[in-house]
Amino acid sequence: QKEVEQDPGPLSVPEGAIVSLNCTYSNSAFQYFMWYRQYSRKGPELLMYTYSSGNKEDGRFTAQVDKSSKYISLFIRDSQPSDSATYLCAISRTGANSKLTFGKGITLSVRP
Amino acid sequence: DGGITQSPKYLFRKEGQNVTLSCEQNLNHDAMYWYRQDPGQGLRLIYYSQIVNDFQKGDIAEGYSVSREKKESFPLTVTSAQKNPTAFYLCASSGGPTQYFGPGTRLLVL
Repeated sequence: QKEVEQDPGPLSVPEGAIVSLNCTYSNSAFQYFMWYRQYSRKGPELLMYTYSSGNKEDGRFTAQVDKSSKYISLFIRDSQPSDSATYLCAISRTGANSKLTFGKGITLSVRP
Repeated sequence: DGGITQSPKYLFRKEGQNVTLSCEQNLNHDAMYWYRQDPGQGLRLIYYSQIVNDFQKGDIAEGYSVSREKKESFPLTVTSAQKNPTAFYLCASSGGPTQYFGPGTRLLVL
C-alpha cells in the first residue's frame, strides 16, 4: 500500500462550484499535512498547512484532517477559473526539515 | 525578494553528457531538496541535504549527484548514467515543516 493516495482526476467543474479534493494515507505516524497548488510549468506553491486533526480556513480554501480515518481534504468554495491547476497533498512524520511524501496530484479545471 | 532560484529554465543534454542544474536560496534555510516530476508520477525525491557538507540519497538517486558546499546552494548533476533524464526538476528548501519550491528546470534530451 502506498503511503499516500490521491484521487486521480482530472476534475472539471463549473465556475462557482464547491470543489472537494481528497487524499488518504496509511501510516498514523504522519502529523503534518500540506496542500500545494501547481500551475502548468511552474513550481508548486504552498497553499495550506495543518498540524494534527481539525479544520483550517483561509479565504475560499479549507483544509480538513481526520487522523482517525487517515483522510485529508481540501475544499474550495466559489471556485474560479484561476483555481485551475494541479493540487498536491503532502504529509510528513516530523517537524522541521523533514522529508515530505507527496500524492500524485489531481488536475482541476474550472470552466467559466 | 526572498526565494529560490533555479537555472536554467530549459536544459538540453546530449547522450553521454553530464549536466548540472543550479539551485540557490536566500531564505536562510538549512535543508534543501531535489525532486523529479514526470507526468502522472507526482514528485519523487532524488537527494536532500539537511546541513552544509552533508546530503542523503532519496528514492531515485541513481544517475544523479549533488554537493552542498554552501548553505545557499545545492547543485544537482545529471550524469550519463541516468538513462531517462527527461523530466521537470524541482528544487526546494525548508526551515520548518513545510517546503518552498523554485520555478523548476525542464531537462530535455537531444
